[in-house]
Amino acid sequence: DSGVTQTPKHLITATGQRVTLRCSPRSGDLSVYWYQQSLDQGLQFLIHYYNGEERAKGNILERFSAQQFPDLHSELNLSSLELGDSALYFCASSVRGQGQNEQFFGPGTRLTVL
Amino acid sequence: GEDVEQSLFLSVREGDSSVINCTYTDSSSTYLYWYKQEPGAGLQLLTYIFSNMDMKQDQRLTVLLNKKDKHLSLRIADTQTGDSAIYFCAVKALGGSYIPTFGRGTSLIVHP
Repeated sequence: DSGVTQTPKHLITATGQRVTLRCSPRSGDLSVYWYQQSLDQGLQFLIHYYNGEERAKGNILERFSAQQFPDLHSELNLSSLELGDSALYFCASSVRGQGQNEQFFGPGTRLTVL
Repeated sequence: GEDVEQSLFLSVREGDSSVINCTYTDSSSTYLYWYKQEPGAGLQLLTYIFSNMDMKQDQRLTVLLNKKDKHLSLRIADTQTGDSAIYFCAVKALGGSYIPTFGRGTSLIVHP
């Protein structure tokens, strides 16, 4: 158990819908990272938040957005869902945002878009 | 940007050694990691090595780094069925983006 929690574990929805994925980092970690894992793209970095502020953006679509709240939990919002958005979405946390800080991964949310 | 390549599959017999290979393109990569992902779970950091090291050993795991060839390997001695998982190589440079770049993962299958 990494100490990072993600809810829900599974999510099935239809095209065009909007969903919210939630992540709680390890106690004391200020950084939250979101990744998308799919069979054809591998593990893709989406976005990084540090202590409530966005720090880096990766391959995140405009239909996707995220935020980190004062209690440091984070939400990833996916809207106008398409079939291709079906994937595993991981959240990871670390103490800080740079250097060799190890990232601790949550168990993931499996999103299925029908 | 950085590109990290791994072979997709490796099959070994229980008790043999496994060697998972990774190549990267950015010679300024400073931190190099190996993660393990078991079915239905997130990635778990197994071990890491700094670019000023050639080798790191941790129980059954040995990491070898060849900076000249930009090649990283993970050797698992006495491979067990419980080692069956996907292994990801990830690299990060000291400057520039501090977000690690992950390979696509190598599925290790251990059969009796």
